[in-house]
Amino acid sequence: GAGVSQSPSNKVTEKGKDVELRCDPISGHTALYWYRQSLGQGLEFLIYFQGNSAPDKSGLPSDRFSAERTGGSVSTLTIQRTQQEDSAVYLCASSRDRGANVLTFGAGSRLTVL
Amino acid sequence: RKEVEQDPGPFNVPEGATVAFNCTYSNSASQSFFWYRQDCRKEPKLLMSVYSSGNEDGRFTAQLNRASQYISLLIRDSKLSDSATYLCVVKVSGGYNKLIFGAGTRLAVHP
Repeated sequence: GAGVSQSPSNKVTEKGKDVELRCDPISGHTALYWYRQSLGQGLEFLIYFQGNSAPDKSGLPSDRFSAERTGGSVSTLTIQRTQQEDSAVYLCASSRDRGANVLTFGAGSRLTVL
Repeated sequence: RKEVEQDPGPFNVPEGATVAFNCTYSNSASQSFFWYRQDCRKEPKLLMSVYSSGNEDGRFTAQLNRASQYISLLIRDSKLSDSATYLCVVKVSGGYNKLIFGAGTRLAVHP
């Protein structure tokens, strides 16, 4: 597609439920990032995929968080047993390749855990 | 200590003012530097890259001081449309080349 597409745009869930957030990067972009932004805060790095290499998972806050990227394209971020502190906007970004410096962000998925 | 630190602001300035934002980074292996802009409830977008020799794009000037691990952004002749949060971004070299974002500095330009 022309841009990075994320779904759902808004998700309200109850504490303890699992959620899945989807990111469809720009076609041909091999690098894909997930960030989290809490209200009034900066972007917190979560995970980075580059081509077929093992992802950099160093930013995942707990083992309740996981992500996968199938076929080098679409990525899914899964949060198990959601907690209220997981409430945030989850932003996905892609870039052309590992050496590229420009990230194109999606509009984000706003997660609210009640 | 955060890898990228910024003054959160807000900076409240009148139209036409000159305003400067600062950013420091902790990882000396950082190789590339950027300023992104984020409008309220929108996604971040690249404003400009920061080069060692300093660079200018219209009313915006970016500077880098590698010795002090310090980056700056200067906005001249501020416009109402400049109101946004400005994010300092550092690319850390190594196996993953990931981009680390600062928490941002909020700018509000008033008439």
